[in-house]
Amino acid sequence: GENVEQHPSTLSVQEGDSAVIKCTYSDSASNYFPWYKQELGKRPQLIIDIRSNVGEKKDQRIAVTLNKTAKHFSLHITETQPEDSAVYFCAATYSGNTPLVFGKGTRLSVIA
Amino acid sequence: EPEVTQTPSHQVTQMGQEVILRCVPISNHLYFYWYRQILGQKVEFLVSFYNNEISEKSEIFDDQFSVERPDGSNFTLKIRSTKLEDSAMYFCASSLQTDQQYFGPGTRLTVL
Repeated sequence: GENVEQHPSTLSVQEGDSAVIKCTYSDSASNYFPWYKQELGKRPQLIIDIRSNVGEKKDQRIAVTLNKTAKHFSLHITETQPEDSAVYFCAATYSGNTPLVFGKGTRLSVIA
Repeated sequence: EPEVTQTPSHQVTQMGQEVILRCVPISNHLYFYWYRQILGQKVEFLVSFYNNEISEKSEIFDDQFSVERPDGSNFTLKIRSTKLEDSAMYFCASSLQTDQQYFGPGTRLTVL
């Protein structure tokens, strides 16, 4: 089955700097790669996703890149703000309605 | 914006007791899921449900677990005889076909 590795497990950045979180996956059949943000005690919230027919997707300060050949995808957050502080999870699956396999999460701290 | 809702927010039970966790998915969604998250760990898939039957389940979802859609709006997870290791946050999620999965706020289950 699918296995998703996520790095780093913790990341501290100064406000205004960029943050990059990387994930690798094992199953070449995976086609859908969402990213979720989870604040303490709250639900995972979808922040961006990418499908395998594109290599990059951007939404304001957030971007995701996908390299299907290498089986890795990354989340990029630019101009970080304190409210970006949370745990970020990557996930991989065959399509949007098949079970998500999550990485272990990255705790991002943005220091003001 | 429609959201997935879950009740109760926190459930405390004694080992060996039955619990039922309730979810109301987003009304026009077709696929329903249960995930769990043990404190400080990643989110893990339990079961998915489509067209009134289980479509996939993980190895965690053993005979102690069952799911039901008793009416047109609710989706429930029953744990027949709870164990200490069932203590976790349980998230319900829903999606349209080939679309993003939206998570509910979770039910924190504590088994004593």
